[in-house]
Amino acid sequence: LAKTTQPISMDSYEGQEVNITCSHNNIATNDYITWYQQFPSQGPRFIIQGYKTKVTNEVASLFIPADRKSSTLSLPRVSLSDTAVYYCRYNFNKFYFGSGTKLNVKP
Amino acid sequence: EAGVAQSPRYKIIEKRQSVAFWCNPISGHATLYWYQQILGQGPKLLIQFQNNGVVDDSQLPKDRFSAERLKGVDSTLKIQPAKLEDSAVYLCASSFQVDSGNTIYFGEGSWLTVV
Repeated sequence: LAKTTQPISMDSYEGQEVNITCSHNNIATNDYITWYQQFPSQGPRFIIQGYKTKVTNEVASLFIPADRKSSTLSLPRVSLSDTAVYYCRYNFNKFYFGSGTKLNVKP
Repeated sequence: EAGVAQSPRYKIIEKRQSVAFWCNPISGHATLYWYQQILGQGPKLLIQFQNNGVVDDSQLPKDRFSAERLKGVDSTLKIQPAKLEDSAVYLCASSFQVDSGNTIYFGEGSWLTVV
């Protein structure tokens, strides 16, 4: 069963940059890598998606090395409101979301 | 643009009773998904529709769960009879199409507690 591997939890302080890395060794050639954010009592929310190298939008950056077996979500200058669970997934394994990374931002 | 709508938001039932959840996807989205999320875990896909046809329901416990999307828009997920382990959030999601690069958009979820 193809899986993603992420740290279970991370702590950070307001204003810091946070990098969350996900391993996806079985990614297929045509798969995109997508990251989602989930707050308690809400459904997951799309953050960013990429195929290779670097993608940046207004909330995050996504770094994907040439072999595409991992990806790193970068959140610049986090705030308390960024406390959430972050999931990476690739679309080949549509069943699997993994347990995500619980990010706790402290004041 | 309106998001994915789900109802009811919360439901408490006794075991062996039945429950139904409704979902209205984003307008124009052909693909609709139902996920189950147990507390502390990531979402698990139960069933995927493309228009009014089932693309994949291999993870759906068919002895008690059923889902339909008769007109290719709204969908209903039913559980009958419910078990204690069905307590979870049921998330509906939709995407424009099935391709790998398409983003899935989730609703707020329907919280089910079976007592």
